[in-house]
Amino acid sequence: DAKTTQPPSMDCAEGRAANLPCNHSTISGNEYVYWYRQIHSQGPQYIIHGLKNNETNEMASLIITEDRKSSTLILPHATLRDTAVYYCIASPPGGSGNTGKLIFGQGTTLQVKP
Amino acid sequence: DGGITQSPKYLFRKEGQNVTLSCEQNLNHDAMYWYRQDPGQGLRLIYYSQIVNDFQKGDIAEGYSVSREKKESFPLTVTSAQKNPTAFYLCASSIWGLNTEAFFGQGTRLTVV
Repeated sequence: DAKTTQPPSMDCAEGRAANLPCNHSTISGNEYVYWYRQIHSQGPQYIIHGLKNNETNEMASLIITEDRKSSTLILPHATLRDTAVYYCIASPPGGSGNTGKLIFGQGTTLQVKP
Repeated sequence: DGGITQSPKYLFRKEGQNVTLSCEQNLNHDAMYWYRQDPGQGLRLIYYSQIVNDFQKGDIAEGYSVSREKKESFPLTVTSAQKNPTAFYLCASSIWGLNTEAFFGQGTRLTVV
């Protein structure tokens, strides 16, 4: 599984867009980029994932660079409830010799401020 | 409601005792995983199972044991051989072989005194 690098912490003003970067320069062709977040003392929550194309859902948008070496998670209108640790993970799906396990790094602690 | 349930939420044990953490899912997922999280750290994989009656060691399996007798259940036993058992334990499940998300339980916080 490719290693990912994220800034340890970021601040964002409430109502503004939060842009969380992730570097995965060694990502291989079959590895997806997943984003999860963990609110204090809870289990991680899935946000979004993608392979090559940009993705959007009701929670966030994922922008993946053309060379796939980095990505950005965008929370379009951050609220106080978005304060959490955000994890970027590069992993292939399970099967064909892959475990499907997720390798969690330290993540980025996003603090949304009023 | 479909989901993944861990129980209990808080667990206290005396040093030297084995303790079993429960994880049940009704999502019909093939794959299940156990992670450990220490304060201020990311999650580390203990064991995972891709199918009933089969499981593999993760990165920090020493001092832990699991079983997978039923698709919906994947209990984790923290044995007395685990030197630092106090931690937050998270169970997850996912569909095997597809690029879909994993679902996590709410965790069990184990304190050994």
